[in-house]
Amino acid sequence: GENVEQHPSTLSVQEGDSAVIKCTYSDSASNYFPWYKQELGKRPQLIIDIRSNVGEKKDQRIAVTLNKTAKHFSLHITETQPEDSAVYFCAASDYKLSFGAGTTVTVRA
Amino acid sequence: NAGVTQTPKFRVLKTGQSMTLLCAQDMNHEYMYWYRQDPGMGLRLIHYSVGEGTTAKGEVPDGYNVSRLKKQNFLLGLESAAPSQTSVYFCASRSRQGSSYEQYFGPGTRLTVT
Repeated sequence: GENVEQHPSTLSVQEGDSAVIKCTYSDSASNYFPWYKQELGKRPQLIIDIRSNVGEKKDQRIAVTLNKTAKHFSLHITETQPEDSAVYFCAASDYKLSFGAGTTVTVRA
Repeated sequence: NAGVTQTPKFRVLKTGQSMTLLCAQDMNHEYMYWYRQDPGMGLRLIHYSVGEGTTAKGEVPDGYNVSRLKKQNFLLGLESAAPSQTSVYFCASRSRQGSSYEQYFGPGTRLTVT
């Protein structure tokens, strides 16, 4: 099955700085790579996703890049704000997702 | 639309007791999933269903059973609860058609087994 590794496990950034989270996957057949944000006690919410036929996707302050050859993908958050503090999960596959262990992001005011 | 709902929100069980968690979705989605989330870990897939009357094992199926008798409902059963099943359980659903692969999550059920 698919194995997804996510780094770092915790990330602390100054407000206004950028945050980058990286994930690797093992199954070359995986073709869908979503990123979820989860606030304490809440359900995961999709923030951005990318298909394997696209190398980069951007939505305002959030961007995701995918390198299929190296089997890794990354989440970039620019101009971080306090409300970006949460746990972020990457995932991979198609109809059956495998999740990374999560990154706790703290934005310092 | 309510989206994906889960019942109950919280439950405390004693070891050996049984219970059923109910997931319901009103989006006419074909695919439904049950995950568990433990501290410091991502979501792990327990069982899933690609359509009414079908179920399949995920990554961590032991100790759980599921049923999908109606398209809108996906039930997760614990026949004999163990402390290792203390976790937060999330249900999710997704459409098989269209261009979106997004999985929509329910609010979760926090289960404690003592």
